[in-house]
Amino acid sequence: DAGITQSPRHKVTETGTPVTLRCHQTENHRYMYWYRQDPGHGLRLIHYSYGVKDTDKGEVSDGYSVSRSKTEDFLLTLESATSSQTSVYFCAISEAWDRTTDTQYFGPGTRLTVL
Amino acid sequence: KNQVEQSPQSLIILEGKNCTLQCNYTVSPFSNLRWYKQDTGRGPVSLTIMTFSENTKSNGRYTATLDADTKQSSLHITASQLSDSASYICVVRGGGFKTIFGAGTRLFVKA
Repeated sequence: DAGITQSPRHKVTETGTPVTLRCHQTENHRYMYWYRQDPGHGLRLIHYSYGVKDTDKGEVSDGYSVSRSKTEDFLLTLESATSSQTSVYFCAISEAWDRTTDTQYFGPGTRLTVL
Repeated sequence: KNQVEQSPQSLIILEGKNCTLQCNYTVSPFSNLRWYKQDTGRGPVSLTIMTFSENTKSNGRYTATLDADTKQSSLHITASQLSDSASYICVVRGGGFKTIFGAGTRLFVKA
């Protein structure tokens, strides 16, 4: 998994509680991404980062926030978890954004269940 | 609307047989198209990438084709192995950070 770890790998939480997922990379890649994957849907981008403290929203960002204080760490926070946020969350990294060198490397995923 | 549609949703083949997976897209503008393999319980792994000017790209037993005029791509798997059982995801990058993922084709290879 290209030097990417995600923690926790599994989490069960209750509606209304805050949850933070962590992505850690050892590749020193500039770009980092958070996706969610749900049955019958393709991966959908939640937020991405193009450098330390530089982040932007993806297509499904409502209810999520992110922070990146160091190159190697990208945190995803569910401010008040809802059942609709039950999903598998993937972190990805890429070295560049040129159209021929934008390969994304994915972490192992975090399975989150909100009861 | 930018979309990536894959067919079939799932496929069962016998070990040693060939198969072809399809991807149709409406993403515009077009930057590149990738095929990823996702094993159960793991993150996707890139198999091939094609830009507008490329119409064929191989990676071992995997061969991807791209027809940018009809906005179609295919992934052909030759002499399938049990380890090919996975989901195969077509991903199209548009302008800026826009990247659209297909829902995937679930391939089952049986002995």
